[in-house]
Amino acid sequence: GAGVSQSPRYKVAKRGQDVALRCDPISGHVSLFWYQQALGQGPEFLTYFQNEAQLDKSGLPSDRFFAERPEGSVSTLKIQRTQQEDSAVYLCASSVPGGEQFFGPGTRLTVL
Amino acid sequence: DAKTTQPNSMESNEEEPVHLPCNHSTISGTDYIHWYRQLPSQGPEYVIHGLTSNVNNRMASLAIAEDRKSSTLILHRATLRDAAVYYCILRAFNAGGTSYGKLTFGQGTILTVHP
Repeated sequence: GAGVSQSPRYKVAKRGQDVALRCDPISGHVSLFWYQQALGQGPEFLTYFQNEAQLDKSGLPSDRFFAERPEGSVSTLKIQRTQQEDSAVYLCASSVPGGEQFFGPGTRLTVL
Repeated sequence: DAKTTQPNSMESNEEEPVHLPCNHSTISGTDYIHWYRQLPSQGPEYVIHGLTSNVNNRMASLAIAEDRKSSTLILHRATLRDAAVYYCILRAFNAGGTSYGKLTFGQGTILTVHP
């Protein structure tokens, strides 16, 4: 399909493990966003890319969180030394600049 | 970011109209009013947006108060597939500015549709 895809859909990690979450945006979408959604809450902004440039990472909760988009297409959100409070759904969205955002299905991360 | 206030939950019967309110008393002149919804176990999806005038699309209608301090999302005939969390979000007009379009979600309104 032509939508935003994310992988894996579910990830279980032991506390202290590193995880990598992948986002494939809609082809041609310059803007890419990552959001974190805790259970029962609305999504919260993490970081924003315009092509390969990370223009805003103000929402990343700690230096254990790192995101990249090296070729301006696929993006990876990496979490080092996962903690239980990192358990959440991680959502990726893409758009043309200023346009409506198209969200992927999310990756549900559970840290044991 | 300007804040929005929505009821925690609302209920409707199938095939009846639903009016979902949103208050945004601190809205600025360049803020667009956006609505997204999130179906269970899915990412949010865009519903509609507007600035000053009422808007209609295939999914819904958006009624904006004259002073822009409140708005109402209208689903003309609710179906079971419309059961979702509905988010009212203010988004600055200038996508080239510092806001560039990141969305600030609140708690949203959980809509339950009864058969």
